[in-house]
Amino acid sequence: GAGVSQSPRYKVAKRGQDVALRCDPISGHVSLFWYQQALGQGPEFLTYFQNEAQLDKSGLPSDRFFAERPEGSVSTLKIQRTQQEDSAVYLCASSAMRTWDGGVKLFFGSGTQLSVL
Amino acid sequence: GDSVTQMEGPVTLSEEAFLTINCTYTATGYPSLFWYVQYPGEGLQLLLKATKADDKGSNKGFEATYRKETTSFHLEKGSVQVSDSAVYFCALSDLANDYKLSFGAGTTVTVRA
Repeated sequence: GAGVSQSPRYKVAKRGQDVALRCDPISGHVSLFWYQQALGQGPEFLTYFQNEAQLDKSGLPSDRFFAERPEGSVSTLKIQRTQQEDSAVYLCASSAMRTWDGGVKLFFGSGTQLSVL
Repeated sequence: GDSVTQMEGPVTLSEEAFLTINCTYTATGYPSLFWYVQYPGEGLQLLLKATKADDKGSNKGFEATYRKETTSFHLEKGSVQVSDSAVYFCALSDLANDYKLSFGAGTTVTVRA
């Protein structure tokens, strides 16, 4: 597709449910990122993939959060046993370069808005 | 750790007014600095960037200069349009892991005709 696609656009979950959020990056983009954006805040880094390798998962808030990119393209962010504090917009971004040198563009999707009741 | 502080909004302006959004950063060295914009219903997109001190980033009439002495990267536009209504985010790249961006909280700008 022309841009980064995320689905679903909105997700409502009951506390304790598991959710899976999908990201389709721009075709051919090597690097993929997940960010979490709480209401009224800027995005916060969660994790980074280069192809299928998860090179940095330091931003994942707990072991309930898990991300994968098994074939180096589509990625899934999974949240187990959701809690109310997980409510946020989850953003996916991709870029073409193997290394991020500060001069490369990140292309963001529109995000998935997760509400945990 | 590295962080960004940007001017709180919301900001409401009339068309053709001058816009400035303040952004200051805290970092142990000289990170790359960015402004991202989010138009209603769309994803974040890069507006402009500067990778070293005294660099000026510019795009779509917006400008920002990397000021090392004041650790600032203020965004300016001389004459705004209704289409500039959006949320603007200042960001920096982590020096140790430069793929990792730290964002400010965002400033909502509304331009009235």
